Amino acid sequence: DGGITQSPKYLFRKEGQNVTLSCEQNLNHDAMYWYRQDPGQGLRLIYYSQIVNDFQKGDIAEGYSVSREKKESFPLTVTSAQKNPTAFYLCASSVVTSGGADTQYFGPGTRLTVL
Amino acid sequence: QQQVKQSPQSLIVQKGGISIINCAYENTAFDYFPWYQQFPGKGPALLIAIRPDVSEKKEGRFTISFNKSAKQFSLHIMDSQPGDSATYFCAAPGSPSNTGKLIFGQGTTLQVKP
Repeated sequence: DGGITQSPKYLFRKEGQNVTLSCEQNLNHDAMYWYRQDPGQGLRLIYYSQIVNDFQKGDIAEGYSVSREKKESFPLTVTSAQKNPTAFYLCASSVVTSGGADTQYFGPGTRLTVL
Repeated sequence: QQQVKQSPQSLIVQKGGISIINCAYENTAFDYFPWYQQFPGKGPALLIAIRPDVSEKKEGRFTISFNKSAKQFSLHIMDSQPGDSATYFCAAPGSPSNTGKLIFGQGTTLQVKP
């Protein structure tokens, strides 16, 4: 099956710990994205990457880091510098077109809770 | 930075009724406007999208109406069903550059009563 997988589904973090959320896609998409969703809120962009070994900050990148060493993988690290990390994290991917934006396909999400 | 304003925040409709959700955007050099549907605890899934060389696109019970001059677009759900109860997000291109970014609205929680 083609798609996007995220793991784990649920993650618990203690204060001061770094945690890494996994995102893998087999859609052969060049672009990948990380969003944060808080209750009753829209999706806010954390980081995005259009090509391997390159990524850009989104609107709320502080306290987060990413890497893009492989086309199919885009892991997100939530560092201890992120003051309020409890949220639902969504990974997405899309093709890159000359026309700008295109359909983004989302994974099932990871719910992170800080204890 | 693009802003997308979505309304209403929540909506209650009787089964068989019409659900209407509206979005307004600021500016864009690219034309791609999707609507996503999200069920609790799940990732959003594309519902319908429009590239407004047309003013309307229909897929089954779902229709996007687009008004480019007003920079507004809306989602109409005809014959609303309890299974349509979900959160709906509109989105618009995030910048004039070719980044593929989307800016999402705040979401509308739809409840369809039996």
